[in-house]
Amino acid sequence: NAGVTQTPKFQVLKTGQSMTLQCAQDMNHNSMYWYRQDPGMGLRLIYYSASEGTTDKGEVPNGYNVSRLNKREFSLRLESAAPSQTSVYFCASRAEKADTQYFGPGTRLTVL
Amino acid sequence: GNSVTQMEGPVTLSEEAFLTINCTYTATGYPSLFWYVQYPGEGLQLLLKATKADDKGSNKGFEATYRKETTSFHLEKGSVQVSDSAVYFCALTPIYGQNFVFGPGTRLSVLP
Repeated sequence: NAGVTQTPKFQVLKTGQSMTLQCAQDMNHNSMYWYRQDPGMGLRLIYYSASEGTTDKGEVPNGYNVSRLNKREFSLRLESAAPSQTSVYFCASRAEKADTQYFGPGTRLTVL
Repeated sequence: GNSVTQMEGPVTLSEEAFLTINCTYTATGYPSLFWYVQYPGEGLQLLLKATKADDKGSNKGFEATYRKETTSFHLEKGSVQVSDSAVYFCALTPIYGQNFVFGPGTRLSVLP
């Protein structure tokens, strides 16, 4: 059972470039999340999707877009990367009416 | 709003020492409380949780008790091992709510 998978594991971008981070879960969970992790700030929620076809902004959505492609997949897009988006990005999922989130291994992104 | 405060560390202990990582929270109602652990280079894993006042969560020798009167959920372990070296995150979620709130994380280093 793979759980939550993320691609790529590492990425280096130049300022202004675009890219999409991919996330997939095989646990049939309804809710999916994107977080960024920065030193001393814990995890901050970027966007979440309560169910297929819905997405909502979290605490730090500026500069990002998301797509809930189907129940399994939830992608995060940076249209024009900035150095302030250098971070580690985590995807997570949660079953309906459950309280535990399950996390992917993360994507380490550096924007030069 | 909801928030989580925890000691940021780093915390450095010798093997077999007693561990306490403090966590306090602010929330309306009766949130569920969690400790997640992040080992180097990995995503977050659920360590333990408690869903109502006076519940004790436990796993791998770690324990935490949901204290409504002091709004706390301190993590303890009687005898730490080198393999416990990781970053520990305290978190909460409103019951069946969508948005988790994480503390900043506490880095623990255990020396042999």
